[in-house]
Parts: sequence; C-alpha cells; structure tokens
Amino acid sequence: QKEVEQNSGPLSVPEGAIASLNCTYSDRVSQSFFWYRQYSGKSPELIMSIYSNGDKEDGRFTAQLNKASQYVSLLIRDSQPSDSATYLCAVFFQKLVFGTGTRLLVSP
Amino acid sequence: DTGVSQDPRHKITKRGQNVTFRCDPISEHNRLYWYRQTLGQGPEFLTYFQNEAQLEKSRLLSDRFSAERPKGSFSTLEIQRTEQGDSAMYLCASSWGTDQETQYFGPGTRLLVL
Repeated sequence: QKEVEQNSGPLSVPEGAIASLNCTYSDRVSQSFFWYRQYSGKSPELIMSIYSNGDKEDGRFTAQLNKASQYVSLLIRDSQPSDSATYLCAVFFQKLVFGTGTRLLVSP
Repeated sequence: DTGVSQDPRHKITKRGQNVTFRCDPISEHNRLYWYRQTLGQGPEFLTYFQNEAQLEKSRLLSDRFSAERPKGSFSTLEIQRTEQGDSAMYLCASSWGTDQETQYFGPGTRLLVL
C-alpha cells in the first residue's frame, strides 16, 4: 500500500511569517511530487511540482525534496491570510496518491 | 474557459437512485482521471483513461460504479443504486502527453445521497 502522510494541522502562522508544510511518502521508486492548494468547498489547485532532490522556488513558494529521506516540504514565505487553505501533498504512482492535507491558517 | 469542466456541480439524490456525472477534460489532454474526496480526506483514485481505454480501476470502484470515455474526449461516471456512503465530492482531472503526472482538476461534482 503506497502511502503519503501529512500532519492534518491546523498550522497557525501570523501574517508575514514563513509557513512550513511537510509530507512523507512510502515508495522509494516515486519520481514526481506535487503540492495542491484546496480552499474549502473547492477543488484542488496545482501550485508546485518537484522531481529532483533539492529546492525549487516559484514566487513565495519553495518546494523541497529529499528522496533518501522520502520527504517533501513546501515553504510559503510572507504568508498572507489568502493563503489559508488545505495543502495537499501528492505523489505520482501511475496516478496521484494524496495525503490527507494540512490545514493552514494565516492570521492578520 | 479551457479548463476541466464537470457537470452537474451539485447533485442531491435519494438512496437507491442512479446518478451520472460528466467530465470534459482540457482540450487534447489524452489522460482523464476520476477521484473521490470525502470530508477531511485527500482525493482517492477511482479510475483513469488513456484516450478511450480504461487502464486502471481502484478497488474502491465497486460494481455499482461504471465509467466510460467513448470517444476519448468527455467521460461519464455512473453510480447505480446509490448509498449514503457514496456522498462525496467527485473530482475529474486530466493530463497530457509526456507530462502525464501533472494533473489539472475540474471543479468537482458534490453528491449528497439522502
């Protein structure tokens, strides 16, 4: 059973702080990793993909991948109240396998 | 709008009724996926198509569920004899060509079985 695990949260950070979201996965063969953002009642929205070890930056978002530790993270710099959402980590095993998501709350 | 579209957006039905959902993928996307999401959980894979061929079905997809993609374009997901446990958000996603892993989701169909 391939698994993706995330802390369900909520993770509470003040506006302007860095939010750090973490994810571990069970299958060493996995090559493709994704972060989706999901607002309440809406569908998942792709925000980042990462395929190689190290960091990948896109605006205020940085994805980090460590395949040896089977660990993926997402950093959100200068967090805004509009970033408050559930962040889903997904790993591609012929289809996407999702974690349960981490709820992020950014307070003004 | 050239994104993934789903219809209907909301469906309320009585237990035992049949329901059918439609998904239109992004134009020229050859892979189409169905997922189901319940409250507090991440989306769970149900099935996927490459063009018109259904290549994989999850064990979650009981014999009451059937999916089709007859011409390799839009897809339908039918649930027969609905049960209260079928209440969920049904999500469709599509992907393309050499970047099969990157999937874009539609708005979802929210099903409530009374």
